[in-house]
Amino acid sequence: GAGVSQTPSNKVTEKGKYVELRCDPISGHTALYWYRQSLGQGPEFLIYFQGTGAADDSGLPNDRFFAVRPEGSVSTLKIQRTERGDSAVYLCASSSRRDDAEAFFGQGTRLTVV
Amino acid sequence: QKEVEQDPGPLSVPEGAIVSLNCTYSNSAFQYFMWYRQYSRKGPELLMYTYSSGNKEDGRFTAQVDKSSKYISLFIRDSQPSDSATYLCAMSKAAGNKLTFGGGTRVLVKP
Repeated sequence: GAGVSQTPSNKVTEKGKYVELRCDPISGHTALYWYRQSLGQGPEFLIYFQGTGAADDSGLPNDRFFAVRPEGSVSTLKIQRTERGDSAVYLCASSSRRDDAEAFFGQGTRLTVV
Repeated sequence: QKEVEQDPGPLSVPEGAIVSLNCTYSNSAFQYFMWYRQYSRKGPELLMYTYSSGNKEDGRFTAQVDKSSKYISLFIRDSQPSDSATYLCAMSKAAGNKLTFGGGTRVLVKP
């Protein structure tokens, strides 16, 4: 596609529920990143994939968060037992290769846990 | 203390003025420096990136990096109301590595 696509654009869920957030990177981009942005803050790194493997998952806050990229393209961020503190905009970015400094972001998924 | 510090603003300027934005950082390992623009309820849009120290110009935008002072700047000339947005600086230790962002500066350009 023309840009990074994230679905859904908005998600409201109840505390304790499980959610999945999807990211379709720019076609051909091998590197994919997830970030989380709280209101009034800059994005914070969660996890980085190079191809199918997680090259760096040091930003995942705890074991309730998990992400996969089984075929090296689409990625899903999974959050178990959601908490109100998980409410934020979840951003996905992709870049064309491992050593490319330019990362392009999607519009984000706004997650609200009530 | 955060690794990357950025004044949250808001920074209000009249149309046509020069907008001056900056970030300071503490980690000398950062090598790549980016500026993103983010409109309300949108994802960040890459404006410019610079490797190591020096200046880079692209149209109305000029980015400067001073690694000795751990200080980066973005200048926007002939500012327009459409430049009203939040500007985020970001940096990484190597190309393709995770980005560390500042908190963003909100800019308002008044007609």
